[in-house]
Amino acid sequence: AQTVTQSQPEMSVQEAETVTLSCTYDTSESDYYLFWYKQPPSRQMILVIRQEAYKQQNATENRFSVNFQKAAKSFSLKISDSQLGDAAMYFCAYRVQDTDKLIFGTGTRLQVFP
Amino acid sequence: DSGVTQTPKHLITATGQRVTLRCSPRSGDLSVYWYQQSLDQGLQFLIQYYNGEERAKGNILERFSAQQFPDLHSELNLSSLELGDSALYFCASSPSGRANYGYTFGSGTRLTVV
Repeated sequence: AQTVTQSQPEMSVQEAETVTLSCTYDTSESDYYLFWYKQPPSRQMILVIRQEAYKQQNATENRFSVNFQKAAKSFSLKISDSQLGDAAMYFCAYRVQDTDKLIFGTGTRLQVFP
Repeated sequence: DSGVTQTPKHLITATGQRVTLRCSPRSGDLSVYWYQQSLDQGLQFLIQYYNGEERAKGNILERFSAQQFPDLHSELNLSSLELGDSALYFCASSPSGRANYGYTFGSGTRLTVV
């Protein structure tokens, strides 16, 4: 069965600095999708970025980018030029191919200091 | 507004009672997913429906049941409620049963069992 692990329960960053959140996963599938979701204090789940496993190129969305290492089964999220509004819980998720469900990690709480 | 509507937003009920949570998916989306998020924890997959049919089941308790209606809205029924059922319940939807682009989440129903 697939698993998703986020080993950093909490992280903090200074405003305008860069921070990287870690995620590892375990799977026997060769083609899959990975996601990062943001959950601010409002508790709404917001899709930040997605990565298709068969694509070598790391996904980028404005200040958010990923470092996808397929062989190492690692999928980290880099937030550049951090802003106060980036403070939230961040969840890494894996899409299971046959059932189409998303498996989530336990989350990393990101604090942003001015 | 994500396009996925969940009602009610908050629900307080007593142990032993039964409640129904409602979800209207984003227009055009055929798949509905239900997740449970207990306090400061990750999201646990409960069940998925695709175009009215149950497609995948997670660790959903026997006291819980769900269905998707012909108009594609879905209901999650929780019965014989226990204190441990207090959680945030999310509904999400995706088009055509393929979550390649992730889910669109509703804002959740916060259930408090007293």
